[in-house]
Amino acid sequence: RKEVEQDPGPFNVPEGATVAFNCTYSNSASQSFFWYRQDCRKEPKLLMSVYSSGNEDGRFTAQLNRASQYISLLIRDSKLSDSATYLCVVKHGSGNTPLVFGKGTRLSVIA
Amino acid sequence: DTGVSQDPRHKITKRGQNVTFRCDPISEHNRLYWYRQTLGQGPEFLTYFQNEAQLEKSRLLSDRFSAERPKGSFSTLEIQRTEQGDSAMYLCASSPGQGLFSGANVLTFGAGSRLTVL
Repeated sequence: RKEVEQDPGPFNVPEGATVAFNCTYSNSASQSFFWYRQDCRKEPKLLMSVYSSGNEDGRFTAQLNRASQYISLLIRDSKLSDSATYLCVVKHGSGNTPLVFGKGTRLSVIA
Repeated sequence: DTGVSQDPRHKITKRGQNVTFRCDPISEHNRLYWYRQTLGQGPEFLTYFQNEAQLEKSRLLSDRFSAERPKGSFSTLEIQRTEQGDSAMYLCASSPGQGLFSGANVLTFGAGSRLTVL
């Protein structure tokens, strides 16, 4: 089982739609969780951290379910500029362990 | 520019040649990471440094790969006797790494060095 799994998509949605991505992780000792965004031929950039109680940043909401070991990202009122690949990222443990990236979920928002 | 810088941005080489990539992290960040990314995949961890100490290496990092961070500032990643399978984007990232604040583990990536092995 891969450490971090995501549906690769693509998700093709119209402008204004709400879209949700899920991600599962295999290591129950994982401590930190993030969503990164990667535009075509660009480097990944932090979109948001994911906190245990769930958190929201404008149109973006992230949730964590430790019991089921999954993380979700909800995007409301999709914009054309949201088109990108969304990478689920997990850090195993609290020590000197690196971040593990999923393969990413590709989103295309269509006018 | 206070971001992460990588050089060169593109490198085309013939199989069997050696290549070296350089990364200059954000100056106040003491952790530096190397990742590799191929088309349709997420970044795969290669190795990372805390200051000048190399703390972890992935099994992906064969004996042909070596990374250094001699003074705890910039880092180099060398690939010897390149193979076509080494063709990828090599991403460097840095993070503060210290402290319990939520941003300690957040990675800031450079634009990457794209390697093509012919």
